[in-house]
Amino acid sequence: GAVVSQHPSRVICKSGTSVKIECRSLDFQATTMFWYRQFPKKSLMLMATSNEGSKATYEQGVEKDKFLINHASLTLSTLTVTSAHPEDSSFYICSATRTGGQANYGYTFGSGTRLTVV
Amino acid sequence: GENVEQHPSTLSVQEGDSAVIKCTYSDSASNYFPWYKQELGKGPQLIIDIRSNVGEKKDQRIAVTLNKTAKHFSLHITETQPEDSAVYFCAVAEYGNKLVFGAGTILRVKS
Repeated sequence: GAVVSQHPSRVICKSGTSVKIECRSLDFQATTMFWYRQFPKKSLMLMATSNEGSKATYEQGVEKDKFLINHASLTLSTLTVTSAHPEDSSFYICSATRTGGQANYGYTFGSGTRLTVV
Repeated sequence: GENVEQHPSTLSVQEGDSAVIKCTYSDSASNYFPWYKQELGKGPQLIIDIRSNVGEKKDQRIAVTLNKTAKHFSLHITETQPEDSAVYFCAVAEYGNKLVFGAGTILRVKS
């Protein structure tokens, strides 16, 4: 089945620094990748949608200059949290899908990244 | 935009009993309805999905039913086991576009 690898699984960074999270589709080419944020005991909140080679589309209220998304290839998307603050601490999850063709890849999720900003 | 409501928020069942979780949605253009299981500290895992051209789908102890007219779909888990305890999310999409999630249901299976 489709596999999405997300790294790192946990990261601790100091306030003011930047941290990059990677999301890779291992066995399929993802036409679209999604980034979510999840607070404790809450549902997944979509942050942005990215298509390969295009600028990401951000959801209302998400700061695009703070959460930089790059989708440079069909198998890799990155989320960079810039100038991190403690309130950015959260669980970040990526998802990938592929449209077109005969295969039904659904939406496959990564294992998530626990970001703690100290 | 799409609005997804999920009920109940918590569900406790005795081992061996059935569990049913229901979701309603608002956008008639939606055509893809997956269910995810999420364990603590992990990403969501797809357990079953259904497309709008099908009314019911079953995979061993898990089934999903869809009523497009009423815009609701349900997850059915039979013969529940302690390892079924987790948070379950329904989601809705016009396939290829963004998934909109329900609020989640905490399922506790008591042994």
